[in-house]
Amino acid sequence: QSALTQPPSASGSPGQSVTISCTGTSSDVGGYNFVSWYQQHPGKAPKLMIYDVSKRPSGVPDRFSGSKSGNTASLTVSGLQAEDEADYYCGSYGGSSHWVFGGGTKLTVL
Amino acid sequence: EVQLVESGGGLVQPGGSLRLSCEASGFTFITYWMRWVRQAPGKGLEWVADIKQDGSAKNYVDSVRGRFTISRDNAKNSLFLQMNSLRAEDTAVYYCTRGGLYSFDFWGQGTLVTVSS
Repeated sequence: QSALTQPPSASGSPGQSVTISCTGTSSDVGGYNFVSWYQQHPGKAPKLMIYDVSKRPSGVPDRFSGSKSGNTASLTVSGLQAEDEADYYCGSYGGSSHWVFGGGTKLTVL
Repeated sequence: EVQLVESGGGLVQPGGSLRLSCEASGFTFITYWMRWVRQAPGKGLEWVADIKQDGSAKNYVDSVRGRFTISRDNAKNSLFLQMNSLRAEDTAVYYCTRGGLYSFDFWGQGTLVTVSS
């Protein structure tokens, strides 16, 4: 299975909103409502931010939201803050008990 | 508090073997799928393998099938990854993760595996 496609970088100023896309196929992103997003700061482990396309785990600020249309999922970070600067990865169930991730997007807060 | 602590990483020659361990605490281990995810230096995440609550089902990414074996000891709240016939491309940080229903909801800090002569 191929990795999901994410833009390598994204940026925004404090207070602005930024959206990161994640494109797959009908066999993964488009076929299931099981897209998740992970935040990873340098040298740290990834942290779950969004699951099942748009649900937030307890403790994740509501500035983070997720959506999906067809084979493309999106993560939107509203009201950007300095601590949001990190790498973001999307993941999806790929069927047949397999999982696939995106290549990651480096979010820079200007 | 959920905690996942990996160990067992290190430097190994191509063709060699290594066994990773993950000690879990802060949740009822036997009720969760468990998964291994790896990240090559400067690269993205890659799902490696997972195992059902009772160990009756195991799944692997194609690139490790036949070389890696995932297992668990529910009595000791522990997850393992036996890695044989290691290749340079297996060099990565290996993360132990808890399987949310359809996500990876908690991650350990990772253990570095370096395959090099």
